This record gives sequence, structure tokens and C-alpha cells, in this order.
Amino acid sequence: AQSVTQLDSHVSVSEGTPVLLRCNYSSSYSPSLFWYVQHPNKGLQLLLKYTSAATLVKGINGFEAEFKKSETSFHLTKPSAHMSDAAEYFCVVSEPGGYQKVTFGTGTKLQVIP
Amino acid sequence: DTGVSQDPRHKITKRGQNVTFRCDPISEHNRLYWYRQTLGQGPEFLTYFQNEAQLEKSRLLSDRFSAERPKGSFSTLEIQRTEQGDSAMYLCASSPRRTGGLDTQYFGPGTRLTVL
Repeated sequence: AQSVTQLDSHVSVSEGTPVLLRCNYSSSYSPSLFWYVQHPNKGLQLLLKYTSAATLVKGINGFEAEFKKSETSFHLTKPSAHMSDAAEYFCVVSEPGGYQKVTFGTGTKLQVIP
Repeated sequence: DTGVSQDPRHKITKRGQNVTFRCDPISEHNRLYWYRQTLGQGPEFLTYFQNEAQLEKSRLLSDRFSAERPKGSFSTLEIQRTEQGDSAMYLCASSPRRTGGLDTQYFGPGTRLTVL
């Protein structure tokens, strides 16, 4: 069965400094991988998606993630944090076989300090 | 496009009571999904509809849970005889395509249920 581990439950960065949110996954297949963001009182929003094309995936709002099969990782990065980036971020792994094969991580709360 | 809306946004109930939540998808989206997100966890898939047909249900969806989408537009999720373990955020999503992957889904803001 697939699984996903977000290595940090909370990350705190200063505005203007880089962001790194870590995600490791486990899958018996070549999975699809996603990052979502959840702002308070807002719906989940897709940041980016990996589906076995380029290993470096660019998303919205300056975020990107690199798929590393040898390390089973899919870390999310952004060169310079903005106050509006403060939110909870979820890494997701999806395998073939229906929506029950979609597994969200437990989330990482990003705090951005002015 | 007004987005996916959910009502109510918050619900507090006593154990043993029944509750019903409503989800209005984006207009003309033919797929609708329900997820549950407990505190400190990511969302978990519960069920989805294509038009009015309920096509997949998670093993998490116990007999006390029932979802409907009678006219292929809005959907309701009912929980009977609520338990404290039902306390969670219930998320709804919709997607415009017949073969919608996770990335085609637009999520609503959720209904937060607290069972006392």
C-alpha cells in the first residue's frame, strides 16, 4: 500500500528566506505525487503535480518540487517566502485503482515571520 | 464561477444526534466528492458521485453515513447517531470531467463538525 510521510509538522521561516517542506513516499507503482495548500477557511488548492514527466515540477506562486526516485522524496521548495505563504501544506501520493488509492500526508504548517 | 460551497460551515451537536451537511458544486461539474479530515491528519476520501450515481465508497464510510446527490447537482452527507470520533472537517470537491483525477478537483471550505 502507498504511504506518504511529511517529515516536519511545523516549519518556521523568515520572510524572504527559502522554504523547504519535506515529503517522502512509498509506492509499489510509479505514483502520481501532488502538493496542496490549505489556507484557513479556504478550500484545498493544488500547487503542483508530478506524473512521471520532468522530475522538477514547477507550480503556482513560485513553488517547485523535485521528484527523486532513489530517495523516494518529493520535497517542496520556494526561493523566497512571502507572508501570504503561511498555511498548511499537504503532500499526496496517488496510485492507480480509484480514489481510495489517494493518500494525503499529515500536513506541514508553515509559519512566515516578518 | 462562485466555487464549491458548503453549508453549514460549523456544526456542534451532541452525541447520538443526526446531522446533515450540504455541498453545492461548481455549476455543471458532474463529479462530486466527499472527504473527511480529522485533527492533525490529511483528508481521507469517503465517496464520490458522477451525476446522481454514487460510484465509489470508502471502507471508512460506516453504515451511519449516507450521501446523496438526487438530481446530480447538490449533495448531502448525513451522519446518524453521531459519535465523538465523527468530529472532523468534512470537505466537498467537484470536478468537471468524466475521468477526473485528484488534480481536477476543486475543494470547498469544509464543514467543521464537533460532537460533544
